Amino acid sequence: GQQVMQIPQYQHVQEGEDFTTYCNSSTTLSNIQWYKQRPGGHPVFLIQLVKSGEVKKQKRLTFQFGEAKKNSSLHITATQTTDVGTYFCAGPGSGGSNYKLTFGKGTLLTVNP
Amino acid sequence: NAGVTQTPKFQVLKTGQSMTLQCAQDMNHEYMSWYRQDPGMGLRLIHYSVGAGITDQGEVPNGYNVSRSTTEDFPLRLLSAAPSQTSVYFCASTDAGANYGYTFGSGTRLTVV
Repeated sequence: GQQVMQIPQYQHVQEGEDFTTYCNSSTTLSNIQWYKQRPGGHPVFLIQLVKSGEVKKQKRLTFQFGEAKKNSSLHITATQTTDVGTYFCAGPGSGGSNYKLTFGKGTLLTVNP
Repeated sequence: NAGVTQTPKFQVLKTGQSMTLQCAQDMNHEYMSWYRQDPGMGLRLIHYSVGAGITDQGEVPNGYNVSRSTTEDFPLRLLSAAPSQTSVYFCASTDAGANYGYTFGSGTRLTVV
């Protein structure tokens, strides 16, 4: 079945440093979603990317979808303590169905103030 | 709107006991899913539903049953609890177009002793 691999598993940064997490799929994705989960919380939807080469920004967060639609990245500029949490990417299941999302294992970001 | 409501928030079961985790959403979403989250394993899909009366298995369905008699409710039943089912369980829902990502409930933390 489809797998979504995410690296790194952990990332610790000093406040103000940048952070990037990468997501790679074994198959071409029709779209990719990103979620954030605060410690002790539940995943919260951030964004969905659909087009090849798409780049979207949300304040200090920049999301990219690869040209081949098999990889994606999330970049945070000048991290803040509020960015702490686990970031997950998720791709649709077999047949491109979003009702059967496959999640990466996530990247846990910790920020030292 | 309450969004996705899960009950209970915490539960301790003895091996062999059965129980039902409740999930209800008030957003008229067609798609609903159950995930379990274990350390280092990310979110794994247990069962999902694309509408009332329609359910299907996800990645890790063994030991769990679901039903979807109404659009709003999607309960998850543990038939005979095992220590391996100790986990955090999340219910999530989204609309049929699934362009807005999944809305997750706050989770049920289950311990089987």
